[in-house]
Amino acid sequence: ETGVTQTPRHLVMGMTNKKSLKCEQHLGHNAMYWYKQSAKKPLELMFVYNFKEQTENNSVPSRFSPECPNSSHLFLHLHTLQPEDSALYLCASSQDLERDINYGYTFGSGTRLTVV
Amino acid sequence: KNQVEQSPQSLIILEGKNCTLQCNYTVSPFSNLRWYKQDTGRGPVSLTIMTFSENTKSNGRYTATLDADTKQSSLHITASQLSDSASYICVVSARGSGTYKYIFGTGTRLKVLA
Repeated sequence: ETGVTQTPRHLVMGMTNKKSLKCEQHLGHNAMYWYKQSAKKPLELMFVYNFKEQTENNSVPSRFSPECPNSSHLFLHLHTLQPEDSALYLCASSQDLERDINYGYTFGSGTRLTVV
Repeated sequence: KNQVEQSPQSLIILEGKNCTLQCNYTVSPFSNLRWYKQDTGRGPVSLTIMTFSENTKSNGRYTATLDADTKQSSLHITASQLSDSASYICVVSARGSGTYKYIFGTGTRLKVLA
């Protein structure tokens, strides 16, 4: 394990369902991220939180709603998704947004989401 | 436009052979370059990180090179093993306004056959 835990690992949901993805890290990091990984595409940044505050929303549709109650936990609430939202959703954390050289991301294993 | 391109898209080699993966980038201002390994169904794991002044960085059988003048990097895998089968992602970090942005390549999918 990398220190970033995502649950569930797999999720199948209908287009009218509401579900949540959970991410937890105990690395003492202050920045957390949601990424979407679709086949044959680069990772797409969705949301960034730094010290619990959202600092970036990369034009993500409102059917994806993030929540960051503290620096260790990050949620992605899902509702009325579309089949094209099926992808691997990766959570990552880093020390914070300002320091990068000797740090970088630690990724979770992801949640494989299938929308039917 | 900040962009990272990787080649080849996929590669099949026999166990024990060497291979080299390529990464070309147009990212400014450049901060550093990382190679990640992503096993199927898992998140990416960092292999190497190189700053502007570094030309070569090794991690076991993995050796990354960086040519900041031509904006190219390569990842060389020596004596491949079945466990090397994975996607390898090149990520370039750009610094701006005190924070960092990461630009991801699409990855090279490597399959090592027995």
